[in-house]
Amino acid sequence: SQQGEEDPQALSIQEGENATMNCSYKTSINNLQWYRQNSGRGLVHLILIRSNEREKHSGRLRVTLDTSKKSSSLLITASRAADTASYFCATVLQAGTALIFGKGTTLSVSS
Amino acid sequence: EPEVTQTPSHQVTQMGQEVILRCVPISNHLYFYWYRQILGQKVEFLVSFYNNEISEKSEIFDDQFSVERPDGSNFTLKIRSTKLEDSAMYFCASRQGMAGANVLTFGAGSRLTVL
Repeated sequence: SQQGEEDPQALSIQEGENATMNCSYKTSINNLQWYRQNSGRGLVHLILIRSNEREKHSGRLRVTLDTSKKSSSLLITASRAADTASYFCATVLQAGTALIFGKGTTLSVSS
Repeated sequence: EPEVTQTPSHQVTQMGQEVILRCVPISNHLYFYWYRQILGQKVEFLVSFYNNEISEKSEIFDDQFSVERPDGSNFTLKIRSTKLEDSAMYFCASRQGMAGANVLTFGAGSRLTVL
């Protein structure tokens, strides 16, 4: 089945630093989304980027998409301790079909 | 803010028992989903449901699993005869109609422990 593969698996940074997470996927997609999961909780949608977009911003989040390389990156700028969570990319192959999640990156931000 | 509600938050059951996990999706959403996450692993798609029928399912969703929307608000996942490997966090999600972009709203999850 198609899925994103996040890299790195785990990332530890200090408050104020930027965090970059990468996602690779296997086949053409309709859109790619990033979700966040706090420990033991459900997933929360962060940002969506469509296949015809290259970059998108939302607050401290910046997402890029390179369809030629089948990869995406999520950048969190000026990280805070509250950003500590797991981050997942999820792909939609065709409009209306299910989201398929990657394995996630666990981000730890220490103060 | 509207939310997806799941019950129970945690259920412990014996192997071979039937389990029903319940979800109340957001009221104006039309598409419903179940995902599961084995501890420390990725979130896996199980099934999607629209217009009172399954629209898509994964290979995980075998004959032991079933879903139902018994009334206008609840969406349930039944596991007929639980196995040890069914121990996981089960997440319900919902979204609006086709005009949307498959952005899902997730519940907080139901943790299932099979002994």
